[in-house]
Amino acid sequence: KNQVEQSPQSLIILEGKNCTLQCNYTVSPFSNLRWYKQDTGRGPVSLTIMTFSENTKSNGRYTATLDADTKQSSLHITASQLSDSASYICVVSAVGGANNLFFGTGTRLTVIP
Amino acid sequence: DAGITQSPRYKITETGRQVTLMCHQTWSHSYMFWYRQDLGHGLRLIYYSAAADITDKGEVPDGYVVSRSKTENFPLTLESATRSQTSVYFCASGQRANEQFFGPGTRLTVL
Repeated sequence: KNQVEQSPQSLIILEGKNCTLQCNYTVSPFSNLRWYKQDTGRGPVSLTIMTFSENTKSNGRYTATLDADTKQSSLHITASQLSDSASYICVVSAVGGANNLFFGTGTRLTVIP
Repeated sequence: DAGITQSPRYKITETGRQVTLMCHQTWSHSYMFWYRQDLGHGLRLIYYSAAADITDKGEVPDGYVVSRSKTENFPLTLESATRSQTSVYFCASGQRANEQFFGPGTRLTVL
């Protein structure tokens, strides 16, 4: 069964600290993996996208890694800011059409001063 | 540069009423999607469209109707709203099937 699991469900960190969010998946055949940021009351916004051959992708202070062998991805946030408070959603696409996207339930990150 | 917009942003309705949520994109993307987001669930695909006049069911299509007569619009209709359809609805568009640019969402409450 194609599934995407994220951990932790929620996380509270101090401003300026680093954190890492995890995404494990069982989706096959794998096409790509995206990390989205969703601010409260807004739609998700794409942070990074990685294909099978990519194992690291950065977007500013956000760095995503992918281990396609173990089917794990992580999103590392460096020097967190209050504006990083949001939900982070991992989405894995299987080869095929629009019905082949699998969404994690997200990690709710709260950055406190 | 509006991108993708949804209306209304908030809607309260009663059980049994018909409700239509609107979605409009200005990018001329081929694909458009409707998702619902509920606590404890990831985003779940309701319907999608690969082009004008082409629509297909997603994971949770029951109770919903869509149409796409123009590339830029993709309305979602709840023919007879039920309490279980209380949710946040997101429209998205993309040039490919696995690409989504999301709208701001519509929060729907069915009483």
